[in-house]
Amino acid sequence: GAVVSQHPSWVICKSGTSVKIECRSLDFQATTMFWYRQFPKQSLMLMATSNEGSKATYEQGVEKDKFLINHASLTLSTLTVTSAHPEDSSFYICSARGDRDEQFFGPGTRLTVL
Amino acid sequence: SQQGEEDPQALSIQEGENATMNCSYKTSINNLQWYRQNSGRGLVHLILIRSNEREKHSGRLRVTLDTSKKSSSLLITASRAADTASYFCAPISGSARQLTFGSGTQLTVLP
Repeated sequence: GAVVSQHPSWVICKSGTSVKIECRSLDFQATTMFWYRQFPKQSLMLMATSNEGSKATYEQGVEKDKFLINHASLTLSTLTVTSAHPEDSSFYICSARGDRDEQFFGPGTRLTVL
Repeated sequence: SQQGEEDPQALSIQEGENATMNCSYKTSINNLQWYRQNSGRGLVHLILIRSNEREKHSGRLRVTLDTSKKSSSLLITASRAADTASYFCAPISGSARQLTFGSGTQLTVLP
């Protein structure tokens, strides 16, 4: 299957700082990428849909000013957690949609906010 | 998008046995995808089955789809300890692109 990478794989930051997470589709172009978060022992929750060249679509309850999404190219989307707080600590996973409807997921980024 | 409901929530079997998990959904679909997630990792795409397909195989995996019952099943044959993971189904309807996940089935394969 296609490969999606995320960077970094884990990050620890102080409260109040911003953290950027990159999601790349390595061997295919993805006009649409998705960002999820997952708390321990829970399922994935969709945060937003990232469309190349246009604004992201956020799910209800997700603050767009806190979770900035940029989809600058067909292979890269970034999620910036601004002014991070301990409650933002979570596992963030991106996915990219291939041309035959499959979605391929990145390995995830573990964010810990102290 | 709609969410699939996996059943059972947890399944524990011995290595070598077969594991069957089920997925139910509510409205008609274009396709349904199965994923595996190892603890602390991302999701791995296993199989996509389209609404006009009834069965699909990939190695030790066999997926069936019954659109009349709005259900799908994932069978893992000759299970291995490495199959221990959470398994999720994701039904896709209409023009929806995003996936919505249920709680999954936690499979434990005992050596």
